[in-house]
Amino acid sequence: KQEVTQIPAALSVPEGENLVLNCSFTDSAIYNLQWFRQDPGKGLTSLLLIQSSQREQTSGRLNASLDKSSGRSTLYIAASQPGDSATYLCAVVTDKLIFGTGTRLQVFP
Amino acid sequence: DTEVTQTPKHLVMGMTNKKSLKCEQHMGHRAMYWYKQKAKKPPELMFVYSYEKLSINESVPSRFSPECPNSSLLNLHLHALQPEDSALYLCASSQRTEYTEAFFGQGTRLTVV
Repeated sequence: KQEVTQIPAALSVPEGENLVLNCSFTDSAIYNLQWFRQDPGKGLTSLLLIQSSQREQTSGRLNASLDKSSGRSTLYIAASQPGDSATYLCAVVTDKLIFGTGTRLQVFP
Repeated sequence: DTEVTQTPKHLVMGMTNKKSLKCEQHMGHRAMYWYKQKAKKPPELMFVYSYEKLSINESVPSRFSPECPNSSLLNLHLHALQPEDSALYLCASSQRTEYTEAFFGQGTRLTVV
């Protein structure tokens, strides 16, 4: 059974810091990996999709990497801002999305 | 347009009521999903529809009944729910079930009293 874990579970940082969020999964037989953010009580916003043949994907201040063989993905957030405060979820894609445990991020001014 | 629209945004229902949640997308996606999310937990998959056919049911109790009338619309019919079914219900869609990016709606906040 696929298990997806995110570390750290929570993170509180001053604005301007560069951040690293980690996602690990137990079964490397995945199609893709997708990163989302979720604001409290809201739906999920797609941030980045990394296909299994890719190792990296970038969008603005966000960069995500994928190492299927080691079962790991990392989301880098450059120059963090208070507006980045949210819960970040990774999801591995097979015939469905299986979500990680999430990282709650707070960026304070 | 990458929008998935869910209605209603909030729903309060009694344990003897029957209600329905609605999800709509106009992106031409052929896979649609229902997820349930409890507070401070990740979303948990309930159902997957692929080309309007139910492809995955994650052993969901029969008081939840999904329906996919056409490729743009997904419903979740609710009957005789329990207070522990109170949660955020999320709908998502993607071009297909694999290899493609999934997009989520804003969810329906359901409270069962």
